[in-house]
Amino acid sequence: EAQVTQNPRYLITVTGKKLTVTCSQNMNHEYMSWYRQDPGLGLRQIYYSMNVEVTDKGDVPEGYKVSRKEKRNFPLILESPSPNQTSLYFCASRLTPDTQYFGPGTRLTVL
Amino acid sequence: TQLLEQSPQFLSIQEGENLTVYCNSSSVFSSLQWYRQEPGEGPVLLVTVVTGGEVKKLKRLTFQFGDARKDSSLHITAAQPGDTGLYLCAYADGYSTLTFGKGTMLLVSP
Repeated sequence: EAQVTQNPRYLITVTGKKLTVTCSQNMNHEYMSWYRQDPGLGLRQIYYSMNVEVTDKGDVPEGYKVSRKEKRNFPLILESPSPNQTSLYFCASRLTPDTQYFGPGTRLTVL
Repeated sequence: TQLLEQSPQFLSIQEGENLTVYCNSSSVFSSLQWYRQEPGEGPVLLVTVVTGGEVKKLKRLTFQFGDARKDSSLHITAAQPGDTGLYLCAYADGYSTLTFGKGTMLLVSP
């Protein structure tokens, strides 16, 4: 089954404690991306990757890092999380701009 | 970044009613996408409209792309509780970014 998986699904942490949210896809897609979803602001793109070792900033990259060492994985790293990064995060992958698959989401709370 | 405005923001209806939600912009798009997001899940792509004036049907859902390719609408006939969710429109900026509207939250009550 074609899918995008994220872990963890839920995470509560404290300010400043580094964390990583993993994302993996089994469709051999070159393009992957991360979004955050906030009430009243909608879905906003954080980072994207066109291929292995190729990443670029989206609309709201501050406070986040990504890496793309393998085609299937695209982890999102928060080096020093802050409360304003409390949000619902989605990973996505696609073959063409007209087809995009989203993961199930990670709900992050930073205290 | 081009802006997508969706209306209404929230819609609460009874099962069996018809409804239309809108996605508007002042910009011209090569294509627009519609997604549905159910509570606790990620968005799921419903359709991509490409040609001005295009109409696509997905069971009880009818999607239309405006003639000038600046707007799109989604019409649902005889809504069911399973149609409840957040409906999002989005456009792809070349091959790099996907920009979403803020969505229409639809609640269909039995």
